Amino acid sequence: NAGVTQTPKFQVLKTGQSMTLQCAQDMNHEYMSWYRQDPGMGLRLIHYSVGAGITDQGEVPNGYNVSRSTTEDFPLRLLSAAPSQTSVYFCASSSRTGTGRGNSPLHFGNGTRLTVT
Amino acid sequence: SQQGEEDPQALSIQEGENATMNCSYKTSINNLQWYRQNSGRGLVHLILIRSNEREKHSGRLRVTLDTSKKSSSLLITASRAADTASYFCATDATAGGTSYGKLTFGQGTILTVHP
Repeated sequence: NAGVTQTPKFQVLKTGQSMTLQCAQDMNHEYMSWYRQDPGMGLRLIHYSVGAGITDQGEVPNGYNVSRSTTEDFPLRLLSAAPSQTSVYFCASSSRTGTGRGNSPLHFGNGTRLTVT
Repeated sequence: SQQGEEDPQALSIQEGENATMNCSYKTSINNLQWYRQNSGRGLVHLILIRSNEREKHSGRLRVTLDTSKKSSSLLITASRAADTASYFCATDATAGGTSYGKLTFGQGTILTVHP
């Protein structure tokens, strides 16, 4: 099992460019999510998905788009990159097993470090 | 918005000492989780404690949860240089108790263990 795989590891964009951050998981997890990590702010949820074809917004969704056509893949699109989107982006997945009074832990990829100039 | 606030922001100790990190949160939760992040890597889940639990152990880790004070602590006993990392608490506060993998993270504690 590779777990959660994110590509690319590093990316530099110019303001206004668009790009897609890739995320794939091979654990057959129902839930997938995207977080961004900025210094001193912990991780903040951008978008999440509870299954193929179902996505919803998190805390900081503006400027990002997602889709989930398969259980395995959950790409994150930056529509028109801005310097404020300079961050480290993490994709995570988790299983539906254990919902209710407890949930299963998140499995994270190793991140994509994005710089927008 | 930040659900969790962690204290201290940074902690420096010697190998063999115990390390205690604290987390406070604002709303009712279903569970609280602790994660570890090594430099340049993704987060790794350490332990999950449900809202109806008060204490949980896993190896050298001990987590407590006080829902009346909306706070949790992570204790790492007999620390090692390899424990050097950032530690984050995260809360699941999804309404209705059904989780969709949505967590709210604190800012983290940077732990440095000197050999």
